[in-house]
Amino acid sequence: AQSVTQLGSHVSVSEGALVLLRCNYSSSVPPYLFWYVQYPNQGLQLLLKYTSAATLVKGINGFEAEFKKSETSFHLTKPSAHMSDAAEYFCAVRRPSGTYKYIFGTGTRLKVLA
Amino acid sequence: DGGITQSPKYLFRKEGQNVTLSCEQNLNHDAMYWYRQDPGQGLRLIYYSQIVNDFQKGDIAEGYSVSREKKESFPLTVTSAQKNPTAFYLCASSIVDRLNTEAFFGQGTRLTVV
Repeated sequence: AQSVTQLGSHVSVSEGALVLLRCNYSSSVPPYLFWYVQYPNQGLQLLLKYTSAATLVKGINGFEAEFKKSETSFHLTKPSAHMSDAAEYFCAVRRPSGTYKYIFGTGTRLKVLA
Repeated sequence: DGGITQSPKYLFRKEGQNVTLSCEQNLNHDAMYWYRQDPGQGLRLIYYSQIVNDFQKGDIAEGYSVSREKKESFPLTVTSAQKNPTAFYLCASSIVDRLNTEAFFGQGTRLTVV
């Protein structure tokens, strides 16, 4: 079955440091992949998505992600963390055929230290 | 502005009561989804609908019911059979036939049993 794994339920970084949030998917066929951000008591907002046009995807707020088929990964990075990046981040997959459901990882809560 | 509106933002339920959460979208999307969010568990799919008058159970449908009488509306009823309903509920919508498109989310409803 299609699934997505996010390693690390909590990640802490210092302000200005590199942010790396990990996401691995399980699928014999590369799925469609998404990263979302959620601020407290709010809905999810799309950060970026992989659509097979390019392996390095740039999103909003300076985030980017690289699709690596050989590693079945789609890790999210940002070169320099800002206090406003503190939030919960979710990786999601959508199957390329069949049902149209989105399957979400368990989320990674990012804390940015001053 | 196009988007998804969930109401109410906060809802309190007494033991044994049924409550209905509203979700309306004006994005002209065919597919709509309900997710439940609990701390550390990510988003779990309750029900989804790809077309009017049709819907399918997700992973945790027990104790919930939905209807899809109009394209723009997908209300969720939390019945008394749901033994642990306290959670954050998120409604989403998406285009069905373009799989590389993202889901759009409402701002959520926080349900608390009192």
